[in-house]
This record gives sequence, C-alpha cells and structure tokens, in this order.
Amino acid sequence: GESVGLHLPTLSVQEGDNSIINCAYSNSASDYFIWYKQESGKGPQFIIDIRSNMDKRQGQRVTVLLNKTVKHLSLQIAATQPGDSAVYFCAENRAGGTSYGKLTFGQGTILTVHP
Amino acid sequence: KAGVTQTPRYLIKTRGQQVTLSCSPISGHRSVSWYQQTPGQGLQFLFEYFSETQRNKGNFPGRFSGRQFSNSRSEMNVSTLELGDSALYLCASIPGSSGGKETQYFGPGTRLLVL
Repeated sequence: GESVGLHLPTLSVQEGDNSIINCAYSNSASDYFIWYKQESGKGPQFIIDIRSNMDKRQGQRVTVLLNKTVKHLSLQIAATQPGDSAVYFCAENRAGGTSYGKLTFGQGTILTVHP
Repeated sequence: KAGVTQTPRYLIKTRGQQVTLSCSPISGHRSVSWYQQTPGQGLQFLFEYFSETQRNKGNFPGRFSGRQFSNSRSEMNVSTLELGDSALYLCASIPGSSGGKETQYFGPGTRLLVL
C-alpha cells in the first residue's frame, strides 16, 4: 500500500560518525529508487538514485546499496555532519505505463547528528 | 537554472471552500507530479501530468483535480475542503524524457490549513 508515516524510526549519531539508514521496499517490480532528504519547512531534496541493474552507487559522502534479493535499500553517509540532520526518505518507482511520475515513499527516518 | 516554484507557500481556508495551488517546474522539464504530505500518511502521490495530459492518478477522491498548461506550469485544485485536507502539498518537476524512471525535483510545498 502507500507509505504510512505513523512512528518514524530515529537514528542519533555523533558528528564525524558514519550513518546507515535502511529501507525495505515491497514491490519486486520496482526498478528505480531514490533517496531524499527533507529538512523542516522544506520540500524533499534529491540525494542519490540507483536503478535495479546496479547494486551500489556512490556520490559525495553518500553511498546507496540495493539488495534486490531481500528488497532492501540503504543509504550510507560518511563523516556525518550536523547539517545532515533531517528526515530521510527512500522512494521507489515501478516499471510500466501505470507508474508514470509516481514515487512510492517509505515512512522516513529521522537522523539527528550531535556536535 | 531556477528551481521549482510553488505558490502560495501558505494558505488558510475553511471547510467547504475550494483552493487552487500553482507549480512552475524547472525550465525545460515537461512533467509534473503532485504529492500530499501529512504526519499520519506520509507522502502520497496525487497525480502526474505530461504535455498537458494526466497520465497517472493516485487514490484520492474526485475533489482533487489538476491540470497542466502548454508551458508545463501546473495547478491543482481541491474542492469542498475537509479538515483532513490540511497538509503540505508538494509539486515535483520531472524532465519527462524517460517514461517515468527519472529523478523528481521537489518544490518547497504549499502548506494548507483547513479550519
């Protein structure tokens, strides 16, 4: 079904630590995945994406891992900074005509970075 | 390039009224998706437009509608507002060249409060 945002998981880390945020997806037909960061009062900001023909992709300080066998996605943030504090969402897009423009979002994870 | 613009940023309405929200996508982008974000349900897809045509629609009542103009700007309308329509309404700008498997860039959203 659609994302449900009742009780968001939280992750607290110290500045400089590495952070790992996890996401499980349900639809094996999904072939495109995106991670977004949302700060208070702002819209989601694109971080990194990955297609289903890959299992790893790296950006600046971020790495996304995709495990299609167990339908699991993770976002790794290296050397986490206080400015990384936000809610992080994974989103999936399914293949096929009826999926045009439709991202299905996870519930989100609140990341808090302590100085 | 300018980002995604949404107007107005904040809106207060009363039950039974209607509201129109506007979105200007990134220059050159041809597709727009709309999402509703609430604390209880998270981010949920409303609809997607490409070349003035609605290609996809989420599971929302007919009170929610939208349109897209020839310059790719989009509007969404909610008629007969209910208290539960209070939410952050987000517009996403999509290049529109890859049939759905594309990064979506979000605007800041319109915060709607229904009293």
